[in-house]
Amino acid sequence: KAGVTQTPRYLIKTRGQQVTLSCSPISGHRSVSWYQQTPGQGLQFLFEYFSETQRNKGNFPGRFSGRQFSNSRSEMNVSTLELGDSALYLCASSLPETYGYTFGSGTRLTVV
Amino acid sequence: SQQGEEDPQALSIQEGENATMNCSYKTSINNLQWYRQNSGRGLVHLILIRSNEREKHSGRLRVTLDTSKKSSSLLITASRAADTASYFCATASASGNTPLVFGKGTRLSVIA
Repeated sequence: KAGVTQTPRYLIKTRGQQVTLSCSPISGHRSVSWYQQTPGQGLQFLFEYFSETQRNKGNFPGRFSGRQFSNSRSEMNVSTLELGDSALYLCASSLPETYGYTFGSGTRLTVV
Repeated sequence: SQQGEEDPQALSIQEGENATMNCSYKTSINNLQWYRQNSGRGLVHLILIRSNEREKHSGRLRVTLDTSKKSSSLLITASRAADTASYFCATASASGNTPLVFGKGTRLSVIA
């Protein structure tokens, strides 16, 4: 059974650019959550999608957006990148009734 | 914002010793989960304990939950060098339909 796949693994972007990260959940998992991980703030919740609908949103500016497709794959987009957006972005999928998350390996974004 | 607070922030032990990590949280929960993260990669789900459970075992892992004190502990027995990682507790709110909230983690180093 394939795990959660995140692409790309590494990205280097320049301030002001935008970036799109992709997440393919485990087959059959309809819930996808995104987290940002930094040394200072730890794991911060970004969004959660379920059946193409955003179910929850964390406390991030509007530059951070996401969506989920009918096949449950999800993307997140960050526009007008800032240096502080440098982080490990983690995607997780789950079956709602079990609550346990399966995480991907993450996308390491560096903004220069 | 973090719900769980792990203690200690870092722990260094010899191979074969037991490692105990603690987690405190603030609000009522449906369940509490523990995850492991190796060096900036994705998180791996270790164990889930529901609010009506007091203790749970999985291999060398033992988790306890005290809802009256809003705290949990993770015990790893007979530690191995491969257990070196960061360990996070995460809480699922009792109010339901909200994302997992993670603590900042305990960095465990097991020295061979």
